[in-house]
Amino acid sequence: DAGVTQSPTHLIKTRGQHVTLRCSPISGHKSVSWYQQVLGQGPQFIFQYYEKEERGRGNFPDRFSARQFPNYSSELNVNALLLGDSALYLCASTSTAANEKLFFGSGTQLSVL
Amino acid sequence: QKEVEQDPGPLSVPEGAIVSLNCTYSNSAFQYFMWYRQYSRKGPELLMYTYSSGNKEDGRFTAQVDKSSKYISLFIRDSQPSDSATYLCAMSRLSGSARQLTFGSGTQLTVLP
Repeated sequence: DAGVTQSPTHLIKTRGQHVTLRCSPISGHKSVSWYQQVLGQGPQFIFQYYEKEERGRGNFPDRFSARQFPNYSSELNVNALLLGDSALYLCASTSTAANEKLFFGSGTQLSVL
Repeated sequence: QKEVEQDPGPLSVPEGAIVSLNCTYSNSAFQYFMWYRQYSRKGPELLMYTYSSGNKEDGRFTAQVDKSSKYISLFIRDSQPSDSATYLCAMSRLSGSARQLTFGSGTQLTVLP
């Protein structure tokens, strides 16, 4: 079975632009979470979605938004990009919202110039 | 003060050595304790997870949790060059109905042949 898939793998944007990152969870998983990993740091929680509803949000500004689709795939949107948004964006899926085992994709490397 | 502190490394050991990786935490709400392995430019891969204090063994890996001291460790026996990666400790809690992981900043391990 395919794992968590993310697209694109790499992205280069300039300050002020908008970006959309995409994630497909493992088949049968209904929950998707997004994490941001800055170079040299551990991942930081951004959002969790389950059954198309936001279940949790980390300490990120309103420029960050996400949604989940009926097929459980998800998009992360970031508006008005800042240099500090440069990071590896990771998507993780679990079978339910409360399941403790998160399975991560390989991430999207975003560079903001 | 960060909720999770991880020995920063980097750590370099000869092949066959025993490796000890350590984290401390401050939040008593953490329920599950995990270790992830992350290769360069890849997503984290779940290695071990445990709920209770004590030891859990899986092959060459042993995870140790001491809830009274808020301290967790990962031991790798007979380390191999293929174990060279960044190791992330992670703590899990329910925030409302969302499962949220809090990661350490990672320890980069190099096993020399």
